Formats: sequence, C-alpha cells, structure tokens
Amino acid sequence: NAGVTQTPKFQVLKTGQSMTLQCAQDMNHEYMSWYRQDPGMGLRLIHYSVGAGITDQGEVPNGYNVSRSTTEDFPLRLLSAAPSQTSVYFCASRRRAAASGANVLTFGAGSRLTVL
Amino acid sequence: AQTVTQSQPEMSVQEAETVTLSCTYDTSESDYYLFWYKQPPSRQMILVIRQEAYKQQNATENRFSVNFQKAAKSFSLKISDSQLGDAAMYFCAYRRIAGGGADGLTFGKGTHLIIQP
Repeated sequence: NAGVTQTPKFQVLKTGQSMTLQCAQDMNHEYMSWYRQDPGMGLRLIHYSVGAGITDQGEVPNGYNVSRSTTEDFPLRLLSAAPSQTSVYFCASRRRAAASGANVLTFGAGSRLTVL
Repeated sequence: AQTVTQSQPEMSVQEAETVTLSCTYDTSESDYYLFWYKQPPSRQMILVIRQEAYKQQNATENRFSVNFQKAAKSFSLKISDSQLGDAAMYFCAYRRIAGGGADGLTFGKGTHLIIQP
C-alpha cells in the first residue's frame, strides 16, 4: 500500500550509541519531515526537507542529523544518543502546496525509541 | 512564532452525546490552515478535519464539525453522536501558507477524549 514507511518500530539504545531511523514514501511527495512526540508535549518538528538535497531545521533539531539524497527517503540520524531523546518519532510527507488548498500530511506509524 | 493551546487535557462524554474540544492559537499571519488530528492507542495520526482560514464557512465531516472564529483565533471541534471508536487523543494543529508551509505543523498538547458507554 502507498504511504510512509518507518523502520524500526521499536528500538532500545544505550547512551552514546548511534542509530538511524529510516523513512520512505512512495507517493512522490516533495515535502518530508520528522517530528518527535513526548508525553504532554504534542508533536514537535525536528527537521524538514522541501526536496532532494534540501533540508532545514525545525523547532528541536539539536542531536539529530538528516539528509535527503532521493525524493523517497529521509533518514534521521542520532550520532550519540542521550536519554533526553527517548521519544516516539514520526515521519510525515506531503505534496508541495497547491493552489487548490491544503495538502495534508501523511504520517508514518511511528518509531518508539528508548535510550538507557 | 505560532503557538497552539488546548486547554482541556482530558474530556469525558457519554456515548451518543455531543462533546466540544477547544483550541486557540496565536499567529501574526493572515492566511493559514488549521487541522484536527486523532491519535488512537495504535499511535497512528489520523486527520479528522481541516479548515482554510480564508474560508468563512465552518468545515464539516460527517459527525465532526468545527467552530472557526478567526478574530478570536479559536478553532473548536464538535463531535456529535459520540461513539466508542472516537476515544483517542485529539490534537489541534496550525500550518501557515507563506513559504508553502514547508516548516511544518505546530501542534497543541492534545486532549484525551474518553467515551463512557
């Protein structure tokens, strides 16, 4: 089925370890983004991309790196995990804004990350 | 920067009754979009309804409707004939139009909706 695919769904890390959360979409969406969801905080934007080769920081970018080498993929890298990065991570994508109205975000199923 | 405030951490309603979830926002923009998302225990984010700020008519989707008051910067969600499947976290979200809205959504902290059978 078409959509946004995130892997892994669950991950446990030790402090200082590195890992990459994968995100792929097959809808040819230009915009992709990463959010984190913490209890009582709603979702907050980490990084976003408006197309291949273009990325920018969101509200909470510290400790995370991203790249966008293809339209389909937008991985999120944690270079040295910290307990403060324990969270649920969502990848989302949408078409570039169109004159006809809002293009709605399609979300992945989320990835729960625990850093010990 | 934009902010979205949901003042009700938790709401409870009897099945088949009507409930209204509140949302206020702060922005200096004149054109923007507003959304309500539902997040059931499965964690999936599901779009419930959306509203374009330039449209005066309130959006409706079956049992879901909004009361959009642009001057008051208020965007409440009304759920009619509540069903057990409506139980979830509900998030209000804002997205500006300028710049294509590429900088994403600003979310409120959510309202946990409980449906009493």
